Amino acid sequence: SQQGEEDPQALSIQEGENATMNCSYKTSINNLQWYRQNSGRGLVHLILIRSNEREKHSGRLRVTLDTSKKSSSLLITASRAADTASYFCATDITGANSKLTFGKGITLSVRP
Amino acid sequence: AAGVIQSPRHLIKEKRETATLKCYPIPRHDTVYWYQQGPGQDPQFLISFYEKMQSDKGSIPDRFSAQQFSDYHSELNMSSLELGDSALYFCASSLGRGRKLFFGSGTQLSVL
Repeated sequence: SQQGEEDPQALSIQEGENATMNCSYKTSINNLQWYRQNSGRGLVHLILIRSNEREKHSGRLRVTLDTSKKSSSLLITASRAADTASYFCATDITGANSKLTFGKGITLSVRP
Repeated sequence: AAGVIQSPRHLIKEKRETATLKCYPIPRHDTVYWYQQGPGQDPQFLISFYEKMQSDKGSIPDRFSAQQFSDYHSELNMSSLELGDSALYFCASSLGRGRKLFFGSGTQLSVL
């Protein structure tokens, strides 16, 4: 079953605007991570938030985690054309040893 | 800085043939993961190794096998290839479990 479900599936914004992407999951987690992928390329880690954290910042990125709602959001502020990519949330599920489960990605297009 | 190295970058095979994908994790990383990503799909977890022992197993077909060697490199062996095996195969490594993953550039497998 799908662990992480992102919404929206696709997002198109103007450069300079903020982009918010949401992710929901189903089971108990140790941490939740966000990754970025440019077309056909490898995934790049953006940020990790642990289950006992509620908010985390890294540069223009802000991630929130609500374990009671089993959801997370990724906010990219002051977006740039170079932010155009697919974004995935991934969960480290409680009880798993070495396994990160990815949700369906969100395609972000930032228009110059 | 050293990254995860995968080879080959592209591979074309016929149905029913075999394929071997190789992965060289970042030095000192103790955990290796394999993922399969179809076009427009999210990465699907196949299998992981921690300190050269199989750690977690995902949706890996019985036709596939993987191992991690004494030098920590890993190989994914795929036999009796089917058209549906055409995908991007990623290897990733991490330092410890439940940590961020570093992905290789992937192997694009095309089965004709």
